[in-house]
Amino acid sequence: AAGVIQSPRHLIKEKRETATLKCYPIPRHDTVYWYQQGPGQDPQFLISFYEKMQSDKGSIPDRFSAQQFSDYHSELNMSSLELGDSALYFCASSLIGLVGSTDTQYFGPGTRLTVL
Amino acid sequence: AQSVTQLGSHVSVSEGALVLLRCNYSSSVPPYLFWYVQYPNQGLQLLLKYTTGATLVKGINGFEAEFKKSETSFHLTKPSAHMSDAAEYFCAAFSGNTGKLIFGQGTTLQVKP
Repeated sequence: AAGVIQSPRHLIKEKRETATLKCYPIPRHDTVYWYQQGPGQDPQFLISFYEKMQSDKGSIPDRFSAQQFSDYHSELNMSSLELGDSALYFCASSLIGLVGSTDTQYFGPGTRLTVL
Repeated sequence: AQSVTQLGSHVSVSEGALVLLRCNYSSSVPPYLFWYVQYPNQGLQLLLKYTTGATLVKGINGFEAEFKKSETSFHLTKPSAHMSDAAEYFCAAFSGNTGKLIFGQGTTLQVKP
C-alpha cells in the first residue's frame, strides 16, 4: 500500500538559510499534519491542512510557513534557520472527510534537518 | 486541555517476559487513543488505536491495549517480548476537532537476551 512520502530524507543547512520540506500524502487522503520531533523528545504538532485550507496551528514559529497544494501535497517552508530548528520533521496524512472524524494518521519517514 | 502521560521513560525486560508500557490521559470527554512505535531513525508506525466500542484493542506484532475510563489509562501490553520489539513507544491522544495528536513523552523499551 502507498505510504506518506517525504523529501528530502536528510537536509543540512547553515544558520539563517532557508529550507523547504515536502510531503506527499497517501492517495485520497485530504488532511496533512506536520510535527517536529527534537532529539529525545516527543513529536510536537506544528500545523495541519484540510482540503488545502489551514485547519489548525500549534507551536509553529513565525519563521515557518506551510501550505497544501491542489494535488494535496504539502510543503513546510522554514526561513532564518536557527540551531534549535535541528530536528526530525514528520508529515502525517489522514482521511477526515468531515471535520471531527477519528481516522488514523499515517506518518511518513520524516526529514531530518540539521542546522550548522 | 488534553494531555498524555507515559510513566517510565525507559523499560527493560528480558526476552520472553511480559511487556507493560503505561499511558494515562486527561480529558473531560471520551478520548481517542493511539500507540505508535518508532524504530531508530524511522518514522512512527501505528500499533493500535481506540476510538469507541470494545475496550480491549488488539494491534500488530502481538500488542494489545485496554482502555480503562475509570483509571484514565490505556496501557500497552505484550505477553512475550522479542528482541525486535526494542524501540521507542509513544502513546497519543486525538486533540480537539481538527485531528492533531498530542503525544506522551515516549518510553524506550529495551529487550535483554
